[in-house]
Amino acid sequence: AQTVTQSQPEMSVQEAETVTLSCTYDTSESNYYLFWYKQPPSRQMILVIRQEAYKQQNATENRFSVNFQKAAKSFSLKISDSQLGDTAMYFCAFMKHEISYGGATNKLIFGTGTLLAVQP
Amino acid sequence: DVKVTQSSRYLVKRTGEKVFLECVQDMDHENMFWYRQDPGLGLRLIYFSYDVKMKEKGDIPEGYSVSREKKERFSLILESASTNQTSMYLCASSLGGSVLDEQYFGPGTRLTVT
Repeated sequence: AQTVTQSQPEMSVQEAETVTLSCTYDTSESNYYLFWYKQPPSRQMILVIRQEAYKQQNATENRFSVNFQKAAKSFSLKISDSQLGDTAMYFCAFMKHEISYGGATNKLIFGTGTLLAVQP
Repeated sequence: DVKVTQSSRYLVKRTGEKVFLECVQDMDHENMFWYRQDPGLGLRLIYFSYDVKMKEKGDIPEGYSVSREKKERFSLILESASTNQTSMYLCASSLGGSVLDEQYFGPGTRLTVT
């Protein structure tokens, strides 16, 4: 079974600085996808960034980028120029490619989350 | 924009009551999901549905059932609520038919069972 581990329950960073959130996963699959989701306080969960395992190039989305190390099964999230609005719970998630009735199944397996506080 | 709505933000029920949590999405998504979120445990999948009237158990289905009579609506049912079902419940939907489609989440329902 696949597992996702986030070893940092809480982190803090000063505004405008850079912070890296760690995530490791365990799988025997070769074809899968990885995601970082953000859950701001009392607000809905939204997708931050995604990475396909077959792509060697690390994904980037504006101030957010990942360091994907497939052999090490590591998928860290880097937030540059941190802003107060980045304060949130961040979840790393794994999705396995599966074909079932009706097409592909895209179940997500989540880590336990990292609570990031951006300090002014 | 995709919108996923849940019937209540906060709900308080008594032990033994039958509880219905409703979720509606407005983007004609095929797949819908129910998760519960607990501190230190992350999100765990309870049930999901890939089509109307089709459902599959997730990782923690015990004590729950679901209903999907219409494509846009996915209900989570607690047949006899217990205190260990006090949690945050999140609904999500995704397009389906494509592996790499993100899940869109609702605002969550914080359920307290007393």
